[in-house]
Amino acid sequence: AQKVTQAQTEISVVEKEDVTLDCVYETRDTTYYLFWYKQPPSGELVFLIRRNSFDEQNEISGRYSWNFQKSTSSFNFTITASQVVDSAVYFCALTEKAAGNKLTFGGGTRVLVKP
Amino acid sequence: DAGVIQSPRHEVTEMGQEVTLRCKPISGHNSLFWYRQTMMRGLELLIYFNNNVPIDDSGMPEDRFSAKMPNASFSTLKIQPSEPRDSAVYFCASSLIGATPDRGLGETQYFGPGTRLLVL
Repeated sequence: AQKVTQAQTEISVVEKEDVTLDCVYETRDTTYYLFWYKQPPSGELVFLIRRNSFDEQNEISGRYSWNFQKSTSSFNFTITASQVVDSAVYFCALTEKAAGNKLTFGGGTRVLVKP
Repeated sequence: DAGVIQSPRHEVTEMGQEVTLRCKPISGHNSLFWYRQTMMRGLELLIYFNNNVPIDDSGMPEDRFSAKMPNASFSTLKIQPSEPRDSAVYFCASSLIGATPDRGLGETQYFGPGTRLLVL
C-alpha cells in the first residue's frame, strides 16, 4: 500500500527566508510518480510538479526547487526567498503502478509567510 | 482552455435532502476523479472513472453516495440522503491517461475549484 507522510503540519517564516517542506513516501512498487500541489487560502488545488521514480534529477522552477532521493524515499520541496503569496497548504502526493492512477495525499504542510 | 469546472461552488442543505454535485472535466481528458477534503481525514479519493467507466469506488463512504459519468464531459456525485457528517469540500479532478510511455501511469490530475458542502 502507498503512503505519504508530511511530518510538518505548520511552518511559519518571515518573508525572504527559505523554507523546506519534507515529504516521505512508502511504496512497494518500482514505478511510481510523486507530486506537489499548492492549496492557497482560496481553496483550489494547484499542480506544481510531477516526478517519476526513474528520474532522480532535482528540479528548479523559479523560487521553487525539489529534491528527490530514492535512497531515503523523500521528495522535499524548498521555497527560496519566500513571499507572502507563498502562504498556503502544500500537499505531497504519490501514485504507484499497482494502484492505477489513484493519488494518495500526505496530510499537508501549512506555510505561513509573515511580512 | 478552461480548467475543470464544478458546480455549485457552495451548497447548504438540510439533513435528509438530496445533494447533487456536478463536474465538467478538461476537454480531451479521459479520467475523472472525485475527492473529499475534511479536516479530520484530509484529502481522500472517493471514486474514479476511465473513459466514463467507474474503475474504483472503494472510497465511496456508503450507499448514500453514488457517482455517474454519462459522457466524457460530465459527471455527477449524488448524496441521498445527506447527513451533517457529509459536510466537506468535494473536488473533481481530471487527467489524460496514455500520454506517457508507461501507458499513462502517474498522469497529472488537474483539480476543479471544489464544492463546499454544508449539511445542517
